[in-house]
Amino acid sequence: SQTIHQWPATLVQPVGSPLSLECTVEGTSNPNLYWYRQAAGRGLQLLFYSVGIGQISSEVPQNLSASRPQDRQFILSSKKLLLSDSGFYLCAWRLEIDSYGYTFGSGTRLTVV
Amino acid sequence: AQSVTQPDIHITVSEGASLELRCNYSYGATPYLFWYVQSPGQGLQLLLKYFSGDTLVQGIKGFEAEFKRSQSSFNLRKPSVHWSDAAEYFCAVAPSQGNLIFGKGTKLSVKP
Repeated sequence: SQTIHQWPATLVQPVGSPLSLECTVEGTSNPNLYWYRQAAGRGLQLLFYSVGIGQISSEVPQNLSASRPQDRQFILSSKKLLLSDSGFYLCAWRLEIDSYGYTFGSGTRLTVV
Repeated sequence: AQSVTQPDIHITVSEGASLELRCNYSYGATPYLFWYVQSPGQGLQLLLKYFSGDTLVQGIKGFEAEFKRSQSSFNLRKPSVHWSDAAEYFCAVAPSQGNLIFGKGTKLSVKP
């Protein structure tokens, strides 16, 4: 069966420090991968999505970047964190042939101090 | 542009009472429609989805939703709420081959 792993679960980082959040999917191949951010009172905002290795689409301009070095690995990064980067980050995947069966990871709570 | 509106930020119901969470969408055609639930500090779990066909969709945990094209709505219902249903609920839409767009969520509290 397919599973999605996201880590770390919680992270406290100082302003100006780098960030790396990792998401991996098991049990499938060539999934579409997504990074969402959830800020209080703002719902879920799509940050990046990827339809294949090295293919990244950004939905909103920001201080973050994403990479997909392997088929089932999706990384969210920042060179210098801002206070406004705090939030709950969710990774998700789906198969192109699967009619919108998005599966979400358990999320990473990032607090920038 | 597509959008989703969940007009209720927070709803409180008594255990055993019925529940209806509202969702309205804006899209030129019939999109794919979803309801997700999120427990505190957790990821999202799919409750149900609508693509086409019967406008009344049954989901997990006793939830159902009804698609009403004339009202651009996809409201979530449950006849009898349990304390374990306390969570945040998200409505989402996706145009054909497009990405999910979420509403801002409705937080459900359940009184004993």
